[in-house]
Formats: sequence, C-alpha cells, structure tokens
Amino acid sequence: TQLLEQSPQFLSIQEGENLTVYCNSSSVFSSLQWYRQEPGEGPVLLVTVVTGGEVKKLKRLTFQFGDARKDSSLHITAAQPGDTGLYLCAGSAGGTSYGKLTFGQGTILTVHP
Amino acid sequence: NAGVTQTPKFRILKIGQSMTLQCTQDMNHNYMYWYRQDPGMGLKLIYYSVGAGITDKGEVPNGYNVSRSTTEDFPLRLELAAPSQTSVYFCASSYWDNTEAFFGQGTRLTVV
Repeated sequence: TQLLEQSPQFLSIQEGENLTVYCNSSSVFSSLQWYRQEPGEGPVLLVTVVTGGEVKKLKRLTFQFGDARKDSSLHITAAQPGDTGLYLCAGSAGGTSYGKLTFGQGTILTVHP
Repeated sequence: NAGVTQTPKFRILKIGQSMTLQCTQDMNHNYMYWYRQDPGMGLKLIYYSVGAGITDKGEVPNGYNVSRSTTEDFPLRLELAAPSQTSVYFCASSYWDNTEAFFGQGTRLTVV
C-alpha cells in the first residue's frame, strides 16, 4: 500500500504570511503531483515533479521533491486570499503499480484578508 | 473538447438499491480512475484502469464494480447501496504515468 501522509490537515493564516505543506511516504514514487481543489469542483493540477531533488516554481508557489523520491513539499510565499482551497498531493509508484494514482488526505488552507 | 463527463451530478438512493455512475472521456487517454471523496478529505482510489479490458482494485473497492470495454467509457457500478457509500464520486483520466489527471465535475451520492 502506498500511503501519502499530508501535514498539516488544516492551515489558517493571515494574508502575507508564508506556509509550507508536507507530503510524506515510506514508499518511493516515480512522480509526485500537487493539485488544488475548489469547493464543488474536481482537483486541478498545479505541478508534477519526477526527479529526486527537483525544485519547481509557479509564481509564489515552490514545490520540492525529496532526494529519495519519498516526500514532497509545497511552499507558498506571501499567501493571498485567492490561495484558499484544498491542496492535495498525489503519487504514482510506477513499476508493477503503474497507473495507480493515489492521493494524500489533503490540506485545507484558509487565507484571511 | 468536453474532457471528462460524469453523469448524474446528483443522486439519492435508498439502502439496497443499485446504480451505475457513468464516466466518459474524449481525450483518448489510456488511464481512467474512480475516486470517492468525503467532506474536507482527500480522494480515495476505488478502481483504476490502464486500458480497455484492464481494471484493477484501488484502496477501497468493496461494494463497487467497474468495467472498461472501450477507451472512452469507465462506468462504476454500486450494488446494494449502503449509507457508508454516501460521498462525492470523481472520475478522472490521464494519458500515461506522470501526466496530468483530468477530473470530471463529480457525482454527489446520498444513500438513505
């Protein structure tokens, strides 16, 4: 079983603050993805990381894949109310489990004006 | 380009009834998935398919069945509905491993 543990589960911050969300597993993944979900909608992809140690930036969002490809983090700089939503990490183990995309339990982020 | 289309959007079932949730994609994606999502939580994988004629169990397959007779369609069957199956169900598809998964709008199912 490839479990993805996300922390924290809830995050409530003021506009302008920085935050980091973590996604950890005991399993190795061929890639990790981060999705954002708005209420009443399906998740939408933010980024895919595939190489151990990889860092990707998307405006104020920075994503990192751990060297051992077992963990990832999402860092948001100067959070804005528009960042509010459910953030989900998802992993694909590859190998004999190719095609099996599993999700973490999510982090609910609320950014107050 | 419609993407991933799920029907119905809402459904109320009585305990013991059965139903099929429909999912179709027009992107010629190889992989398709069914997830359920409880309020404020992540997505739990029910079943997935890597191609027509191939299906595999996910994390929570009990009480559900799927088939994949064509590349486009991946229906989810609920037999003998139970209150524990009250949830929002999402269908998704992707072209290959490590590629973006596209999601449908979801089906909100209530079992009473």
